Amino acid sequence: EDQVTQSPEALRLQEGESSSLNCSYTVSGLRGLFWYRQDPGKGPEFLFTLYSAGEEKEKERLKATLTKKESFLHITAPKPEDSATYLCAVGGGGSYIPTFGRGTSLIVHP
Amino acid sequence: EAQVTQNPRYLITVTGKKLTVTCSQNMNHEYMSWYRQDPGLGLRQIYYSMNVEVTDKGDVPEGYKVSRKEKRNFPLILESPSPNQTSLYFCASSLRPMGEQYFGPGTRLTVT
Repeated sequence: EDQVTQSPEALRLQEGESSSLNCSYTVSGLRGLFWYRQDPGKGPEFLFTLYSAGEEKEKERLKATLTKKESFLHITAPKPEDSATYLCAVGGGGSYIPTFGRGTSLIVHP
Repeated sequence: EAQVTQNPRYLITVTGKKLTVTCSQNMNHEYMSWYRQDPGLGLRQIYYSMNVEVTDKGDVPEGYKVSRKEKRNFPLILESPSPNQTSLYFCASSLRPMGEQYFGPGTRLTVT
């Protein structure tokens, strides 16, 4: 059974204070690891897909990395508008059902 | 504008009264799915559809039905809702299974 654990559950940062969110996973035959951003009262919004260990992707202040056991979402010099819940999901094996983590709630104070 | 729409956005109903939540996408996506999101449990998939007339169970299908008669539409049906189905529901679509998913705005359902 695929498992995804995200840490920390909640993170408070000052504007400009860089940090990382962790997504640890176990899956049989990774087909993709996904990062989404979810604002309160809205549907998740796609950020990145990573497929193999060593892969990295960047978008503005966000950078996602992948190893064989975990993924990190690095946030460089965050701004208050980066406040949201960040979700990690994995797809593996022959399943068409992605497994989501419970998310990390990020608050960036001005 | 590429989007997934859901209706209604909010719904309060009583136990046993059949209801349907509609979902439509305008991106010509093959794959569509329904999720529920509960505090402390995260997003869990209810049903998914690989294409028209092809549907299959997700992790939590009990008490739900779906149909895919047209590529763009994927309604979620609760034939006899119960209070434990009170939740926030999301529809999503993607070009392919395990691809990036586009989520709808959500439907908040309360069953009393």
